Amino acid sequence: AQKITQTQPGMFVQEKEAVTLDCTYDTSDQSYGLFWYKQPSSGEMIFLIYQGSYDEQNATEGRYSLNFQKARKSANLVISASQLGDSAMYFCAMSRAGGTSYGKLTFGQGTILTVHP
Amino acid sequence: GAVVSQHPSWVICKSGTSVKIECRSLDFQATTMFWYRQFPKQSLMLMATSNEGSKATYEQGVEKDKFLINHASLTLSTLTVTSAHPEDSSFYICSAQRGLGQYFGPGTRLTVL
Repeated sequence: AQKITQTQPGMFVQEKEAVTLDCTYDTSDQSYGLFWYKQPSSGEMIFLIYQGSYDEQNATEGRYSLNFQKARKSANLVISASQLGDSAMYFCAMSRAGGTSYGKLTFGQGTILTVHP
Repeated sequence: GAVVSQHPSWVICKSGTSVKIECRSLDFQATTMFWYRQFPKQSLMLMATSNEGSKATYEQGVEKDKFLINHASLTLSTLTVTSAHPEDSSFYICSAQRGLGQYFGPGTRLTVL
C-alpha cells in the first residue's frame, strides 16, 4: 500500500519569500510517480509538478521545484518568490507507474498555505 | 490541452432523489477516469476507477449500488448518487488519465436537504 504524509496542516509565508511544503511517502513499489497539486478556494485541482521515481534530477516548473530525496522518501515542494495568489491548499500525491493500480492517486492530508502581503 | 469538465458545478436536491454528475475530457480520450470525494478541509478520497467499456472498480467501503458509475465513451464518465441522503453531501471531483498524469475536473458540490 502507498501512503503520503504531509505534517504541516498550515504554513504562513511573507510575499516574495520562498516556502517549503513537506511531503514524505511510503511505498514498496520500485516505480512510482510523485505529484503536487494546488487547490484554491474554488475547489479545482491544479497540477503543479511531477517527479518520477527514476528521475535523477529534481523537477522544476517555473517557481515550483520538487526536492526529491529518494533515500529519505521525501518529495518536498519549494515555491520561490511567493505571491498572494499562491494562498491555497496544497496536496502531495503519488501513483504507481504500472500494474493494475496504474494511475490511482493516493493523496496526503494537505497543507494550507497563506501568503501575507 | 488536457481539459476536463464537470456538470453540474453544484446541485441541491431533496433526500431520496438521485443525482447524476457528468465528467468529460474535452480535448483528449480517456480510457480511465477516477471519481473522488472530498469533505471540507480534508483530503481527496478515491471512490472508484471508471474504465471505458467495463465495470467500475470501487474502493473498499464505497457502496456500488449507491454510487453508480458508467463510462460509456472515451470522453464521458457519469456518477449517479442514488437515493441521496444528507450524509452524501460533499464535493465530488473527477479526473481523467492521460499518460502518467491525471487532469481534474472543477468539481461538483452536492447538497442533499
